[in-house]
Amino acid sequence: GIQVEQSPPDLILQEGANSTLRCNFSDSVNNLQWFHQNPWGQLINLFYIPSGTKQNGRLSATTVATERYSLLYISSSQTTDSGVYFCAVGPNDYKLSFGAGTTVTVRA
Amino acid sequence: DGGITQSPKYLFRKEGQNVTLSCEQNLNHDAMYWYRQDPGQGLRLIYYSQIVNDFQKGDIAEGYSVSREKKESFPLTVTSAQKNPTAFYLCASSIGAGAKAFFGQGTRLTVV
Repeated sequence: GIQVEQSPPDLILQEGANSTLRCNFSDSVNNLQWFHQNPWGQLINLFYIPSGTKQNGRLSATTVATERYSLLYISSSQTTDSGVYFCAVGPNDYKLSFGAGTTVTVRA
Repeated sequence: DGGITQSPKYLFRKEGQNVTLSCEQNLNHDAMYWYRQDPGQGLRLIYYSQIVNDFQKGDIAEGYSVSREKKESFPLTVTSAQKNPTAFYLCASSIGAGAKAFFGQGTRLTVV
C-alpha cells in the first residue's frame, strides 16, 4: 500500500503561535484528507484536498500532488487545536492509508 | 442531526468471547468502513462495504466479521480468533469511492 509519513511526530506550541504540519506519501493519489482527533477520540474531517489549496478559518492546507506532499497550516493556535492530526491518502477507491499522526499540544 | 453513531462507547470482553460493535449512519452514504487504532498509531482498515449486501476485507480482517443488511447499519463482530482485540474501533462512511470520510465517536474495546 501507499506509505504515509507525517512530521513532526510531536509539536508543542504557545497559544497564538503558527505552525506547519507535513505529510509525505510514496505514490500518486487522487484522495487526500486531513483529520483532527480530539482528546475523546473522535476524528473530524478538516480538509478533502487531493490537490491545490483550501482555507477554513485559521486552518489552511496545500497539496502538491506532483511532488507527493501536503502541508497543514495552523495560524494563531488556540488550546482547542490540541490533539492529533492525521493525513490519509489513497487512489480513487475505498481504501485510505493513514499516517501515524502529529500530536499537537497548545499551551495557554 | 445527521451523523454516525457507534455503540457502546466502552466495551469489556472476556477472552474467548465474541462481541459485536454497532455502527449506524443517517447520512444516506453508500460506503461504510471499520478501522482499528492502537495507541500512538494511525488507523488501519479492517473491512469496508461499498453497498448493501457487499463487503470487502481491508488490511487486517483476520479475526473480524461484518454484515451489511441495511444501508444504515454496518456491525463489526470481533471473534475469539482475533489474537489482540484490545483497541479503539472507529466506524466511518462516505458517499462513495474516494470521497470525503466521516467518522463516528469510536468504541474502546478491552479484553479482560
